[in-house]
Formats: sequence, structure tokens, C-alpha cells
Amino acid sequence: SQQGEEDPQALSIQEGENATMNCSYKTSINNLQWYRQNSGRGLVHLILIRSNEREKHSGRLRVTLDTSKKSSSLLITASRAADTASYFCATDSTGNQFYFGTGTSLTVIP
Amino acid sequence: DAGITQSPRYKITETGRQVTLMCHQTWSHSYMFWYRQDLGHGLRLIYYSAAADITDKGEVPDGYVVSRSKTENFPLTLESATRSQTSVYFCASSGAGGLYTDTQYFGPGTRLTVL
Repeated sequence: SQQGEEDPQALSIQEGENATMNCSYKTSINNLQWYRQNSGRGLVHLILIRSNEREKHSGRLRVTLDTSKKSSSLLITASRAADTASYFCATDSTGNQFYFGTGTSLTVIP
Repeated sequence: DAGITQSPRYKITETGRQVTLMCHQTWSHSYMFWYRQDLGHGLRLIYYSAAADITDKGEVPDGYVVSRSKTENFPLTLESATRSQTSVYFCASSGAGGLYTDTQYFGPGTRLTVL
């Protein structure tokens, strides 16, 4: 399986702190995406990074990709209570299929 | 309203019954996907469709049937429901595919319980 694995499984931080979560995958990819899932909701796309990119920013989000280590990290800066959610990485190497990890559950304490 | 919708949102059924979960999108996206989400497994792809009348298996297709006669609809049928199919099911759509797969847009999910 190409399934990505997020680390840590759960993370609890104070509001205003930075949150970092990691994703490791097994095979070569074309791109990697990060999604957020609020409790009881569907997934929402956050950011996509292609295999030839090393870093990407979107607002308070920073994603890095290290294809040599088959890993990616998602950094959320200055976290807010509204960032409380589960975060998933998704990898794609065959073009039409995504493989999601099991997610990191982030709790931001006000 | 534009977007991707799923129905029903909640369903309870019994073992052996046939169940159909509906998915409808208004973006005319080419690609549509069905996932199931279970604790400890994350999201797993059941089936996907690249266009009307084109479907293909994902990671966990056994026990499921799909069809796509119209671009906007992608129903998922459990022909004979089993308890192991108790899960939350998500439909998603994407406007692109191929080498660089585009963002997927997810529906709100259907929580299915098989007794």
C-alpha cells in the first residue's frame, strides 16, 4: 500500500503556538496533498505540493516535501481554536487514485 | 446550490439488505470517487470514475457496485450489506486527472450502520 502515515496521531497545543505534523509515504509520488476534516464533516483541501517542489505556503500553512526521505510536513503557525480538526495527507502516483493516511488529530486549546 | 451532496446522511439497515448511497455534484467534474472512513484505517478508496460509463476499482471494492450513467451522479450500492460495511462513506469529485491529479472536493458523508 502507498498509504501515507501521519505523525503524531494526536497533538494538543495552546492557541497561538505552532503545530507541526508529518506524513511519510512508501512509494514515489506525483504530488502530495493535505486535507482537513472537522468533526462530522467531509474533508477540505488545504494545499497541494508537487513532487518537484520543496516548500509551499498558503496563509498560515507551510508544507515541505522531501522526496528523498518520502516525507512531508505541515506547519500551522499561530494556531487558533478553529484549527482543531483532523489533518490528512494524501499521495498520488498513478494519476487517478489517492491514498490517504490515518490522520493527525489536532486540538488547539483556547 | 452548487457543490457535492450525498444522500441519505444517515442510514441504518440490516445484514443482507441492498443499500444505495447517492452522490450528486453540480460542477460537471469528470472524476468522482467513493471512500469509506473507518477508525484506524483512514480513508480508503472503494471505486472511482473518470467519466460517465467509466468506472474502476479502488483499494477496497469487494461488496460494492457503482454506476455512472450521468456525469453528475455516482451512486454506490451495497448489494448485500454486511456488518463490516458499517462505516462513514464519502463521495468526492475532481475536475482533472492524469499525471497531476487535481484537488478533490468532498461531500458531507453518509453514516451507514449495518445491524
